[in-house]
Amino acid sequence: GIQVEQSPPDLILQEGANSTLRCNFSDSVNNLQWFHQNPWGQLINLFYIPSGTKQNGRLSATTVATERYSLLYISSSQTTDSGVYFCAVLNSGYSTLTFGKGTMLLVSP
Amino acid sequence: ETGVTQSPTHLIKTRGQQVTLRCSSQSGHNTVSWYQQALGQGPQFIFQYYREEENGRGNFPPRFSGLQFPNYSSELNVNALELDDSALYLCASSPQGYEQYFGPGTRLTVT
Repeated sequence: GIQVEQSPPDLILQEGANSTLRCNFSDSVNNLQWFHQNPWGQLINLFYIPSGTKQNGRLSATTVATERYSLLYISSSQTTDSGVYFCAVLNSGYSTLTFGKGTMLLVSP
Repeated sequence: ETGVTQSPTHLIKTRGQQVTLRCSSQSGHNTVSWYQQALGQGPQFIFQYYREEENGRGNFPPRFSGLQFPNYSSELNVNALELDDSALYLCASSPQGYEQYFGPGTRLTVT
């Protein structure tokens, strides 16, 4: 099946710093989603981005489907941005999301 | 618009018992997917239901089974619970093949 790799696995930032999270995938995809998992386990939808670039406030994402990667940018980070960020892809011809192992982000005041 | 809901929130069971978890999908969504998330891992796909039929299954044994009802709500049943079944169980709903929206999860502990 498709492989999804996220980097870095862990990231520690000072409040106000910017960061880039990366997601590489091993095959063509129909769908790519970025999620933020809060401390209670809820997966919050950030972006649905099979290709192109989207922005939502301080967050933006870019997916280059032909090169099989996606990037999530967090600018001016806040302590509330802390948590685990997951990339998940929907493989062509399949109906299920395959998740990466996530990036654990800690933003300190 | 009501989002995806799951019940119960937490559950403690004994090895060998059976458990049923429930999920109500978001209005207008005809597809429900179930995932298992072990501690420190990403969610793993269990199975998906589309219009009351199973529409794909991950690498989980047959003691994991499910149902989808005409109102698109769903159940996950696990028989003969094992200690390794302790995990966060997540339900997601979507229009078929599109963006998935997750519920808050059910945290199952097997002792």
